[in-house]
Amino acid sequence: KQEVTQIPAALSVPEGENLVLNCSFTDSAIYNLQWFRQDPGKGLTSLLLIQSSQREQTSGRLNASLDKSSGRSTLYIAASQPGDSATYLCAVRAGSYQLTFGKGTKLSVIP
Amino acid sequence: NAGVMQNPRHLVRRRGQEARLRCSPMKGHSHVYWYRQLPEEGLKFMVYLQKENIIDESGMPKERFSAEFPKEGPSILRIQQVVRGDSAAYFCASTQDRTGELFFGEGSRLTVL
Repeated sequence: KQEVTQIPAALSVPEGENLVLNCSFTDSAIYNLQWFRQDPGKGLTSLLLIQSSQREQTSGRLNASLDKSSGRSTLYIAASQPGDSATYLCAVRAGSYQLTFGKGTKLSVIP
Repeated sequence: NAGVMQNPRHLVRRRGQEARLRCSPMKGHSHVYWYRQLPEEGLKFMVYLQKENIIDESGMPKERFSAEFPKEGPSILRIQQVVRGDSAAYFCASTQDRTGELFFGEGSRLTVL
């Protein structure tokens, strides 16, 4: 059974700092990995999708990497802003095609 | 291109009543997933559907819960005889194919009194 772990559970950083969020998964036989952001009381917004054959994806200030063999992914956020404050979720898609989610990292960017 | 549309956004039911949650996928998407999110917990998979077919319902409780995605119209998640433990946010997501990027709706928040 696939398990996804995100560390840390919460993170507080001053504005302008670069930061890294971590995600690990137990079964490396995945199709892809997707990072989401969730604001309080809202739905999930897709940030980046990395296919199993890819090493990284970039979108603006966000960069996500994937090391399938070690079961790890990182989400790098450059020059953090208060508007980046949200919960960041990592999810992997494996054999049954469903996404398995981690519990998220709650990020607070302090002005 | 409208996103995934869910309604109602908020639903209040008394114990024993039925709850029906609707989801219209993004245009061109024929794959729909339902997830449940309890306070302070992660998102839990419930069911995966394609048009007129249930592909994987391994996350659905065996009783009281059912889902459908008819040829025409939205996907429906139905909860019969609701109990307080059913209070949660229910999210629908859609994708173009089995391994495509998943897009989520804003969710339906069910409160059972």
